[in-house]
Amino acid sequence: DSGVTQTPKHLITATGQRVTLRCSPRSGDLSVYWYQQSLDQGLQFLIQYYNGEERAKGNILERFSAQQFPDLHSELNLSSLELGDSALYFCASSVALGATITGELFFGEGSRLTVL
Amino acid sequence: QKEVEQDPGPLSVPEGAIVSLNCTYSNSAFQYFMWYRQYSRKGPELLMYTYSSGNKEDGRFTAQVDKSSKYISLFIRDSQPSDSATYLCAMKSGANSKLTFGKGITLSVRP
Repeated sequence: DSGVTQTPKHLITATGQRVTLRCSPRSGDLSVYWYQQSLDQGLQFLIQYYNGEERAKGNILERFSAQQFPDLHSELNLSSLELGDSALYFCASSVALGATITGELFFGEGSRLTVL
Repeated sequence: QKEVEQDPGPLSVPEGAIVSLNCTYSNSAFQYFMWYRQYSRKGPELLMYTYSSGNKEDGRFTAQVDKSSKYISLFIRDSQPSDSATYLCAMKSGANSKLTFGKGITLSVRP
């Protein structure tokens, strides 16, 4: 158990809808990262927050947004969903601004989104 | 060209085989190299970490980095069915930089 909690584990929705994925980082971790994993693209970095502030952006679509709250949990909002958004969405956390010196991020078990 | 390329899979080997997993990269600024292991329905977890060039051994696992060739490898000796998982290489340029992952390769070790 990594200590990172993600909800929901599974989500099935229709095209055009909006969903919110939630992540609680490990106790004490200030950085939260969101990744999207699909068979064809692999693990793609979406966005990072550190102590409530956005710190890095990756391949995140404009239809997607995220925030980190004062209690450090984070939410990823996906709107106007398309079939191609079906994927596993992972949240990861680390204590510092970057991954630890050893490159360790602690991943949750992911939220599997299916868009029909 | 993607920053990190990983051999496509899947890979199936018999128990006891030596497994070689490889990644190449294009960004010469990468200095920190990692291998993550991801079991089915789980998130990735750090398996091995190497800084700069060289080898690192941990039990049945050996991570190898050749910066001159921009090539990293993970060797698994005496592979076990419990090694069946997806292996992702990852790398970063600085201590606080973001990780860039390979696509991952799924390994199946047959009993």
